[in-house]
Amino acid sequence: AQTVTQSQPEMSVQEAETVTLSCTYDTSENNYYLFWYKQPPSRQMILVIRQEAYKQQNATENRFSVNFQKAAKSFSLKISDSQLGDTAMYFCAFSLSGGSNYKLTFGKGTLLTVNP
Amino acid sequence: DTGVSQDPRHKITKRGQNVTFRCDPISEHNRLYWYRQTLGQGPEFLTYFQNEAQLEKSRLLSDRFSAERPKGSFSTLEIQRTEQGDSAMYLCASSFYITGELFFGEGSRLTVL
Repeated sequence: AQTVTQSQPEMSVQEAETVTLSCTYDTSENNYYLFWYKQPPSRQMILVIRQEAYKQQNATENRFSVNFQKAAKSFSLKISDSQLGDTAMYFCAFSLSGGSNYKLTFGKGTLLTVNP
Repeated sequence: DTGVSQDPRHKITKRGQNVTFRCDPISEHNRLYWYRQTLGQGPEFLTYFQNEAQLEKSRLLSDRFSAERPKGSFSTLEIQRTEQGDSAMYLCASSFYITGELFFGEGSRLTVL
């Protein structure tokens, strides 16, 4: 079974600064996907960024980037130039690739607050 | 298309009552999922449909829970004889087979008194 661990229950950052959220996972599989999802207060969860395990290059999406360390089973999210709208719960998630790529295993989440 | 919609958004019920939640996925998505999220936890997988076929159910889905997706369109999640431990946010998500990215609804929050 796969597990996802987020060791930071809460974090805060000043607007325009950079923050990094940590995530580690455990799996015996070699082919999988990793995700960061954002859940704003009382709104639906949306995908922030996705990383395929077979790709060595770290994924980036505008101000969001990841540091994927496959050997260490680490998958951190860096948010640059933080904005007030980034305030949300952030979940790290894992899924197997191939036909089973539907079942996401989530961490417990990190509540990020961006302060003005 | 406005995304995945869920109804009701919030349901308060007394222990022992039955409740039903509805999910309308994004129209072209053939996969539909139900997750449960309790306070302080990440979402946990409950069940998954491909078109109208329910292909997997988690052990979390006790006999009191039943999910359907008639004609491969909307889905319902029914909880019979609710217990206080059923209090949670029930999330629905859908995806298109090829891309696999899950799109979530805003969830249906259940409070069992």
